[in-house]
Amino acid sequence: AQKITQTQPGMFVQEKEAVTLDCTYDTSDQSYGLFWYKQPSSGEMIFLIYQGSYDEQNATEGRYSLNFQKARKSANLVISASQLGDSAMYFCAMRSYNQGGKLIFGQGTELSVKP
Amino acid sequence: NAGVTQTPKFQVLKTGQSMTLQCAQDMNHEYMSWYRQDPGMGLRLIHYSVGAGITDQGEVPNGYNVSRSTTEDFPLRLLSAAPSQTSVYFCASSGQGSGANVLTFGAGSRLTVL
Repeated sequence: AQKITQTQPGMFVQEKEAVTLDCTYDTSDQSYGLFWYKQPSSGEMIFLIYQGSYDEQNATEGRYSLNFQKARKSANLVISASQLGDSAMYFCAMRSYNQGGKLIFGQGTELSVKP
Repeated sequence: NAGVTQTPKFQVLKTGQSMTLQCAQDMNHEYMSWYRQDPGMGLRLIHYSVGAGITDQGEVPNGYNVSRSTTEDFPLRLLSAAPSQTSVYFCASSGQGSGANVLTFGAGSRLTVL
């Protein structure tokens, strides 16, 4: 069975600093995808970044990057130059390539950015 | 605007009542799914569909029914609501191929069962 673990219930970061949100996963599949979603206080789920298990380079999307370490089964999200608007819940999720829209989510990390 | 539309946004039910959460997408996505989000927990998959006429159970299917008669619509039915079903419900959709990489979520439906 697949499982996602986020061990940081809450994190604080100073504005303009970088922060790393941890995510480890467990799967027996060879082909899978890893995702990060942001959920602000308004409640919507916003896609941030995607990493495929066969992608050789770490994914980047603007200030977001995914530190993918396949052997350690970790997919940490790095946010550079934090902004006040980054304060939100962050969810790590994974999907097998043959499972379509079937995502497994972690428990989430609440990030607070201090001015 | 293209996307996933969920209705209603808020609903209060009494124990034993039935209701349907509606979900529609206009992106011609094959995959659709329903999740519930409880405080302190991530989203958990209730039911999903890989195309019209095809549905399957997720992690927490008990107490919920779904059907997929068209590509666009994927309603979630609560047959006899229970307080344990108080939650925020999200519908999501994704396409095939590279489009399957990203799940697009609706705005969510907050359900309270008294």
